[in-house]
Amino acid sequence: AQSVTQLDSHVSVSEGTPVLLRCNYSSSYSPSLFWYVQHPNKGLQLLLKYTSAATLVKGINGFEAEFKKSETSFHLTKPSAHMSDAAEYFCVVLISNFGNEKLTFGTGTRLTIIP
Amino acid sequence: ETGVTQSPTHLIKTRGQQVTLRCSSQSGHNTVSWYQQALGQGPQFIFQYYREEENGRGNFPPRFSGLQFPNYSSELNVNALELDDSALYLCASSTSGSSYEQYFGPGTRLTVT
Repeated sequence: AQSVTQLDSHVSVSEGTPVLLRCNYSSSYSPSLFWYVQHPNKGLQLLLKYTSAATLVKGINGFEAEFKKSETSFHLTKPSAHMSDAAEYFCVVLISNFGNEKLTFGTGTRLTIIP
Repeated sequence: ETGVTQSPTHLIKTRGQQVTLRCSSQSGHNTVSWYQQALGQGPQFIFQYYREEENGRGNFPPRFSGLQFPNYSSELNVNALELDDSALYLCASSTSGSSYEQYFGPGTRLTVT
């Protein structure tokens, strides 16, 4: 069965320092993976998506993620954190089953930015 | 381009009651998916509607039901509300029965007392 595991429930970084949010996946074949962000009292926004075209995926707001098959990981990074990055981040895998598709979300990582 | 909208924003219901939540899909999208997000957890897939028919369902009991209308808007109905139904309900729209690129609405916060 396909699934994702977010390794940290809470990450705190200082403004201007790098961000690393970790996600491991479980899949018997090459998965479609996503990162979504959820700001307080707002809906989910797609940050980036991986579909096997390129292992390094660039998203919005300076975020990027690298698909590493050997490590079954899809970690989200950003070189320099901004206060506006404070939010909940979800690693997501797309599951296809007899033509039906659904997104399965990880448990989330809350990112706190320290001024 | 019109984004995904949901109504109401918040509502409070009593255990045992029934509730209907509404979602208008993004312009040009014919597929709507519903998710339940309990406090402190990730969203969980309830079901998806495509061309007015259910197109996949998660592990939710039959008292969770839905509809999709010819204009692709959708309703989520929950009967016999339980306290554990308290959550943020999100809908997302996409195209052609796919979940690949979904656009989410702001959600409806349901509180069951």
